[in-house]
Amino acid sequence: KAGVTQTPRYLIKTRGQQVTLSCSPISGHRSVSWYQQTPGQGLQFLFEYFSETQRNKGNFPGRFSGRQFSNSRSEMNVSTLELGDSALYFCASSLDGGYYEQYFGPGTRLTVT
Amino acid sequence: TQLLEQSPQFLSIQEGENLTVYCNSSSVFSSLQWYRQEPGEGPVLLVTVVTGGEVKKLKRLTFQFGDARKDSSLHITAAQPGDTGLYLCAGEEVQGAQKLVFGQGTRLTINP
Repeated sequence: KAGVTQTPRYLIKTRGQQVTLSCSPISGHRSVSWYQQTPGQGLQFLFEYFSETQRNKGNFPGRFSGRQFSNSRSEMNVSTLELGDSALYFCASSLDGGYYEQYFGPGTRLTVT
Repeated sequence: TQLLEQSPQFLSIQEGENLTVYCNSSSVFSSLQWYRQEPGEGPVLLVTVVTGGEVKKLKRLTFQFGDARKDSSLHITAAQPGDTGLYLCAGEEVQGAQKLVFGQGTRLTINP
């Protein structure tokens, strides 16, 4: 069974631009969560989607948004990029939601200049 | 937001030694997970503990959830170079949004 895939793996954007990251969960998994990892703050929860609905949300500004499609694939969008948004972004999928059996993707490294 | 504090942040020991990593909070979690992360990769789930006092073993790794579900420990017996990596604990919040809160991680290096 294929694992969680994320595209692109690396991205360089300019401050003020917007960016969209994509995540394909493991086949059959209906929950996708997104995380941001930085050296200073560690891993932080962004939001979770289950069956196309956002169920939980972390403490991030409204510039961070996401959505999930009917095939469970998910996208995360960051608008008006700031230098501090430079980070590794991970998505993770699980079968029925929750975090008990959560599988992470390889991540997207976003650099904002 | 509930906070999880991991200690130590860095640990470098010789192959064959034993070690314990701690994950502490003043808040209660409904479950706690341990992950291991290699450079350039996403975290890999090692174990989930749910019940206070629960102990789970994964080969040479022993995980314990505190009785009050506020803390956890990871003990590695006879560490091997292959155990090198970043170990992260993560707790599922009881109150508010059901989000996962991560500790800052313990960077473990096992020297041959």
